[in-house]
Amino acid sequence: DAKTTQPTSMDCAEGRAANLPCNHSTISGNEYVYWYRQIHSQGPQYIIHGLKNNETNEMASLIITEDRKSSTLILPHATLRDTAVYYCIVRSMEYGNKLVFGAGTILRVKS
Amino acid sequence: GAVVSQHPSWVICKSGTSVKIECRSLDFQATTMFWYRQFPKQSLMLMATSNEGSKATYEQGVEKDKFLINHASLTLSTLTVTSAHPEDSSFYICSASRYRESNQPQHFGDGTRLSIL
Repeated sequence: DAKTTQPTSMDCAEGRAANLPCNHSTISGNEYVYWYRQIHSQGPQYIIHGLKNNETNEMASLIITEDRKSSTLILPHATLRDTAVYYCIVRSMEYGNKLVFGAGTILRVKS
Repeated sequence: GAVVSQHPSWVICKSGTSVKIECRSLDFQATTMFWYRQFPKQSLMLMATSNEGSKATYEQGVEKDKFLINHASLTLSTLTVTSAHPEDSSFYICSASRYRESNQPQHFGDGTRLSIL
C-alpha cells in the first residue's frame, strides 16, 4: 500500500473550515484515498473516499489533486465535536482490501 | 449507515484466562471482517483478516494460536485471546466489509477494551 504523510497536529477555530492535508506521492492508479477519524476511546468513523474526482458528502469534502499525489479533507464548519485523530489511508484492492493506518493528524477544534 | 456492533465493550479478567470478543454486522452481510489492536497513544494495527467460511489471514508477527478468529457466518466474527496475559491488555477493534474486493468503506465497531490483571 502507498504510504501517506500527514501533519502531526492542527488547530482550528470553531465555525471555521478545517483543511487537513495528506501526501500520497507513490499512489498507484487503482488505489483509493480514504479518510477516517477516531474520537477518543471509540472505533474509527468513515468520513469519505475517492479515486480521482473530488467528492462531497454530508460530513466533508475531499479534494484530490490532478496528479493524485496529495489530497485535502475539508470540514466546512468545524465544531468542538470534530476534535479527533484524522487518518488518511490509501487502499489497494490488490492487497485484500486492507486498511493500513498511519499516525494520522490530531485536529483540535477550539472555541 | 452501516452498523457494526462489538461485544463486550469492556472486559477485565485474570491472567491465564481466555476472552472472546464478538463482532457483528447488524444491517449487512459481511464477507470480510478485520481485527485491529490499538495500544495507548498509538495507531491501529491490523492483526488479521477474517473471511466467512475460511481460515483467517494473520499479519506478520501476530500469533494465530494466541488470537483465534472464527467467521462462521456472514454477520458474526469472533476473536478469542487465549491464555491472556497483562501484555495482551489493549483496545481491540473490528471492522466489516460487504465485499472482499470492493471500494466500499469498511465500518468499524466501537472497540473492546481488554484489561488483564
